Amino acid sequence: DIPVTQSPSSLSASVGDRVTITCRTSPGISIYFNWYQQKPGKAPKLLIYATSTLQSGVPSRFSGSGSGTDFTLTISSLQPDDFATYYCLQTYSIPWTFGQGTKVELK
Amino acid sequence: EVQLVESGGGLVQPGGSLRLSCAASGFTFSDHYMDWVRQAPGKRLEWVGRSKNRLNSYSTEYAASVKGRFTISRDDSKNSVYVQMDSLKTEDTAVYFCARVPRICYGGSCYFYYMDVWGKGTTVTVSS
Repeated sequence: DIPVTQSPSSLSASVGDRVTITCRTSPGISIYFNWYQQKPGKAPKLLIYATSTLQSGVPSRFSGSGSGTDFTLTISSLQPDDFATYYCLQTYSIPWTFGQGTKVELK
Repeated sequence: EVQLVESGGGLVQPGGSLRLSCAASGFTFSDHYMDWVRQAPGKRLEWVGRSKNRLNSYSTEYAASVKGRFTISRDDSKNSVYVQMDSLKTEDTAVYFCARVPRICYGGSCYFYYMDVWGKGTTVTVSS
């Protein structure tokens, strides 16, 4: 299985802050990297696919980047609706594997 | 509206069986792969398995943790995918989601590389 290590596991931030979440994985993943947002009791919501492509309807304050072994989700200006848990997902090979999640909380 | 709705969850004893269903609507079901993903209480998401489409012979793939115990199938005429779960263990307790893996075609080839639509999930509890 391809390991995916996500950090931090949690962070406290204020509305308007810039937030960065990182995942580290095996080399060669290429574009097969995606980001999801999950709120309590809800299904995950696709934010970013193919490393940096914004899913339709997702606000432009979300962006993704990365190459090699390190991938990043950035929220440029945190909004009240963004307090949630974020997961990365590699889809290069089966089994697809998720990061541990990052819980973004209000400071 | 594109929608997935899971059903069939419940309480079952260790060693028991359960069959989950996922009904799709609002898109051409037969074109796409369908995955199952689960989330144990307080844990990360875990990919469980996949049903590929007709063009890929409806083949299936499974996580090692469920292989030999879970069986995924689909019925394109009913726009539904299923997971038959046998020999259940307490560690199978989780919310089970079905998710669409869309077929993305360009340059003469088609790719499947993310899950874009998810159901709300159904809860499975394995306990004596």
